[in-house]
Amino acid sequence: EAGVAQSPRYKIIEKRQSVAFWCNPISGHATLYWYQQILGQGPKLLIQFQNNGVVDDSQLPKDRFSAERLKGVDSTLKIQPAKLEDSAVYLCASSLYINLAKNIQYFGAGTRLSVL
Amino acid sequence: TQLLEQSPQFLSIQEGENLTVYCNSSSVFSSLQWYRQEPGEGPVLLVTVVTGGEVKKLKRLTFQFGDARKDSSLHITAAQPGDTGLYLCAGEAGTYKYIFGTGTRLKVLA
Repeated sequence: EAGVAQSPRYKIIEKRQSVAFWCNPISGHATLYWYQQILGQGPKLLIQFQNNGVVDDSQLPKDRFSAERLKGVDSTLKIQPAKLEDSAVYLCASSLYINLAKNIQYFGAGTRLSVL
Repeated sequence: TQLLEQSPQFLSIQEGENLTVYCNSSSVFSSLQWYRQEPGEGPVLLVTVVTGGEVKKLKRLTFQFGDARKDSSLHITAAQPGDTGLYLCAGEAGTYKYIFGTGTRLKVLA
């Protein structure tokens, strides 16, 4: 079974530029998450999709971040314009919720963003 | 705001030693998960605990969920260099929604 694919793996941009990240979840997984992980910290949930609908985007800085999940499969996360504090690893995860004890989030390797 | 505080933040030990990592919150969680993350990779799920007081064992790792479902611990017996990594707890805070802890970075020296 293929895992969660993310691209690019690394991205370096200057502040005020735009950037987009792409995620292809595991086939059949209805739930997709985007997390921001600053170096040495735990991941922070940015947005959660259930199929192609948004379940939670309460921590997404909507003035600069946007995300979409067309057709309930692939997803893109965009930052426009980027700030220095956006430097982080952006992780995508997907899951097929069965029950509390069996929900597993599968994570991609992440995209490491450096904003100069 | 729900927060999960992990302690210690950093831990460096010799191979063969035992250690315990704590994950604490003032909030109640439906379930709690533990993940391990290695450099350049995403977190990988180790275990899910659901019932207050539940204890689960995974080889040399023992996980416990607090009776009130507000805290959890991870105990590693006879640590090995392969246990090195970032350990994260995550509490289910809503429908399929998870809040991650602050992380514990473990280094096991050979």
